[in-house]
Amino acid sequence: AQSVSQHNHHVILSEAASLELGCNYSYGGTVNLFWYVQYPGQHLQLLLKYFSGDPLVKGIKGFEAEFIKSKFSFNLRKPSVQWSDTAEYFCAVNAKTGGFKTIFGAGTRLFVKA
Amino acid sequence: SQTIHQWPATLVQPVGSPLSLECTVEGTSNPNLYWYRQAAGRGLQLLFYSVGIGQISSEVPQNLSASRPQDRQFILSSKKLLLSDSGFYLCAWSRQLTTSYNEQFFGPGTRLTVL
Repeated sequence: AQSVSQHNHHVILSEAASLELGCNYSYGGTVNLFWYVQYPGQHLQLLLKYFSGDPLVKGIKGFEAEFIKSKFSFNLRKPSVQWSDTAEYFCAVNAKTGGFKTIFGAGTRLFVKA
Repeated sequence: SQTIHQWPATLVQPVGSPLSLECTVEGTSNPNLYWYRQAAGRGLQLLFYSVGIGQISSEVPQNLSASRPQDRQFILSSKKLLLSDSGFYLCAWSRQLTTSYNEQFFGPGTRLTVL
């Protein structure tokens, strides 16, 4: 069965620190990959997505993620975090043959200290 | 533009009472619709999805059911709530495309507490 693993459940960083959140999935076929973010008090929203082409994808607010097929990974990065990046981040995978079912990771709560 | 609504925002219900949570989408036609439960530290669990009116797929056996009486309306129900039904319920929609790529758009959620 498909699964998504996020390595860190809680991350605390100071402003200007670099961020990398790990995400690994288990599925042997072709996949679509997503990072969603939930800011305090707001809806869950899409941060970035990969479905083909350049494995390094850029998202909103300076975030990027790299799809490494050989490692089944889709890690999220940001060179310099801000206090406003405090949120919960979810990695998600949708198999191209799986149709409508998207599997979400458990989430990573990021707290950025001002 | 498309919007998604859920109500109520919060709900406190006694054990054994019925449940009805409603989700509606505006600004799009024939969307795929989803119900998720979000538990702290466990991510989002897909409960039901629907690709059309009256078409419901259940992902996990449980005390809940879903219905889609209209194209852009998705309802989550229970005849008798259990304590374990407490949680945060999210509705989402995605476009129906010829490929499986489907970014999902989420509603604000309903916080359900069963006492």
